[in-house]
Amino acid sequence: GEDVEQSLFLSVREGDSSVINCTYTDSSSTYLYWYKQEPGAGLQLLTYIFSNMDMKQDQRLTVLLNKKDKHLSLRIADTQTGDSAIYFCAENNNAGNMLTFGGGTRLMVKP
Amino acid sequence: DTAVSQTPKYLVTQMGNDKSIKCEQNLGHDTMYWYKQDSKKFLKIMFSYNNKELIINETVPNRFSPKSPDKAHLNLHINSLELGDSAVYFCASSPRTYEQYFGPGTRLTVT
Repeated sequence: GEDVEQSLFLSVREGDSSVINCTYTDSSSTYLYWYKQEPGAGLQLLTYIFSNMDMKQDQRLTVLLNKKDKHLSLRIADTQTGDSAIYFCAENNNAGNMLTFGGGTRLMVKP
Repeated sequence: DTAVSQTPKYLVTQMGNDKSIKCEQNLGHDTMYWYKQDSKKFLKIMFSYNNKELIINETVPNRFSPKSPDKAHLNLHINSLELGDSAVYFCASSPRTYEQYFGPGTRLTVT
């Protein structure tokens, strides 16, 4: 079955870059996603990448996909305190377009 | 101009009761979903539904049933609530592309 894994915790200083990593097992994944969840809030779609792409950049966010190693990363440049949240990686398994989520990485940004 | 809304935001009830959570989307999307997030923040798909097809995650107990009165609504009905049903339930919707947009969540507490 599908499995998506992330490290639990990341701490960075304001202004530094953050890199959140994710590994997945389902080689048939079509799309891979990054969602952000702030405390007490729902999930906000940050960005997604199609499986035939290696990289996608959107302002401070850069997504890198290594399909051979089934590794996805999210880089946040110039990390701000407002970026503190839980970041979820997810894959689309095509069956009913249902997403399989990783366990989330809690990003803490220190001033 | 809320895109995906859920009611109620909080629901506290006793074991054995039957309850419903409502979800509405005004985005004109074709497909709607229910996800469960447990106390450790793990997110798991429960259902995927459009007007043609219901796909059920095989791990979901049959006490849970989605009900869709129309394309813009997908309600979650839960029979005979158990302590382990306590979680945050998220509704989501997507157009024919693969982006999913999440509601704010309903925190269910079973006592």
